[in-house]
Amino acid sequence: NAGVTQTPKFRVLKTGQSMTLLCAQDMNHEYMYWYRQDPGMGLRLIHYSVGEGTTAKGEVPDGYNVSRLKKQNFLLGLESAAPSQTSVYFCASSYLAGGTDTQYFGPGTRLTVL
Amino acid sequence: AQSVAQPEDQVNVAEGNPLTVKCTYSVSGNPYLFWYVQYPNRGLQFLLKYITGDNLVKGSYGFEAEFNKSQTSFHLKKPSALVSDSALYFCAVRDSEDYKLSFGAGTTVTVRA
Repeated sequence: NAGVTQTPKFRVLKTGQSMTLLCAQDMNHEYMYWYRQDPGMGLRLIHYSVGEGTTAKGEVPDGYNVSRLKKQNFLLGLESAAPSQTSVYFCASSYLAGGTDTQYFGPGTRLTVL
Repeated sequence: AQSVAQPEDQVNVAEGNPLTVKCTYSVSGNPYLFWYVQYPNRGLQFLLKYITGDNLVKGSYGFEAEFNKSQTSFHLKKPSALVSDSALYFCAVRDSEDYKLSFGAGTTVTVRA
């Protein structure tokens, strides 16, 4: 099993450009999450999905959109990138939404917006 | 609302010495507590979790954590640190009535040979 994978690993964008980050999991997990990691701030939840075809806003959703067309994939889109979106983005998945379940993380995507 | 505090940005210890990484939390209901470790340029790896039961939880790589309800703490410990334990450690909490996981800011551990 590959677990949680993310594409691409690195990306540099100019302000105003758009891009899509892909997250894939092969663990048949129902729930998937997108976080951003910034120095001194830990991980903050951007959007999440409780199942195929569903998405919901997290703590810092502005400037991002997501889609979950297939159970194994969760896409994060930036329509018009801004320098404030320079960050490391992590995808995670879990079998259950809450309670005792553990989230499993991908290796991350380092995004720089110039 | 739920939150996590990791009061130390950095912890430095000598190899072979005990390692402690501090974490305190705040939740409305019962807490579910997690520790993750992040090595350079890698994703987060799960170390251990407390759900219920014994207050001392044992996890991967010789780490353990002690849940203290009265002090609302969940400190991570290792009796004898290794240089390879040098990494960024995150504490996280989930309220039993919520599904979202809240992370602390992280503590950088450096173990010197």
